[in-house]
Amino acid sequence: GDSVTQMEGPVTLSEEAFLTINCTYTATGYPSLFWYVQYPGEGLQLLLKATKADDKGSNKGFEATYRKETTSFHLEKGSVQVSDSAVYFCALSGLGANAGKSTFGDGTTLTVKP
Amino acid sequence: GAGVSQSPSNKVTEKGKDVELRCDPISGHTALYWYRQSLGQGLEFLIYFQGNSAPDKSGLPSDRFSAERTGGSVSTLTIQRTQQEDSAVYLCASSLATGDYYGYTFGSGTRLTVV
Repeated sequence: GDSVTQMEGPVTLSEEAFLTINCTYTATGYPSLFWYVQYPGEGLQLLLKATKADDKGSNKGFEATYRKETTSFHLEKGSVQVSDSAVYFCALSGLGANAGKSTFGDGTTLTVKP
Repeated sequence: GAGVSQSPSNKVTEKGKDVELRCDPISGHTALYWYRQSLGQGLEFLIYFQGNSAPDKSGLPSDRFSAERTGGSVSTLTIQRTQQEDSAVYLCASSLATGDYYGYTFGSGTRLTVV
C-alpha cells in the first residue's frame, strides 16, 4: 500500500540555518504530495503542495520539489526562524481504491533556537 | 464557516463511557474526513464522507467507533465504551469535491483523554 517515510527527528537548528527534512514515498501512480505544519497547540495546516512530477511547491520561504525518479519530496528553507519551530508532516493523496484518503508520515519535530 | 470547527477542544471521560465529537466543515466542502493522532505518532485515517455517497469506514479501529454526517454538513464521531487506548487527538478535515487532490483544511482537533 501507499506509504510515506520521513526523516526522523527531532531536528534542532540555530536561527538562519539551512533546513532540509527528507521525505520519500511509495505509491502506485502519481499522487499529489503535501507538506503540512502543526504549530504548538494548533491543528495541521497545509504548508505547500505539488500535484505532478517536477512541480515545485512553495510557501513562507519553504520549498519542495516533486521528484518522480527518486520518489521524494524533501522540504527546504534557506534561513529558518524561531517561529518555524513546529512539527512537519509529509503526505500523499490517495489513488484508486484509496482515493480521498491521504497517507501521512510520522512527522518531524523542528526546534529553532535563537 | 471560515474554517473547520471542532468541539469540544478537550474531553476527559471515564473508561466505559460514550463520547461524541463534533465537526463543522467549511461551507461548500462536500468531503469530510476524520483522523486520529496519537502521542508522537502520525495521522491514522478513520472515516471519509464524500457528498451523498456511502462513507468509507475502512479506517475505523473497532465497532465501538461510528460516525454520521447530517445534511451533508456537520459530522459526529461517536466512541462507545471508551478505552484508555482511545486517548488521542481526533482531527476533522474537509475539502472540495475533488477530495484530497489539493489537500485538506483541518480543524484544531479534540483532545480525548480516557481515565
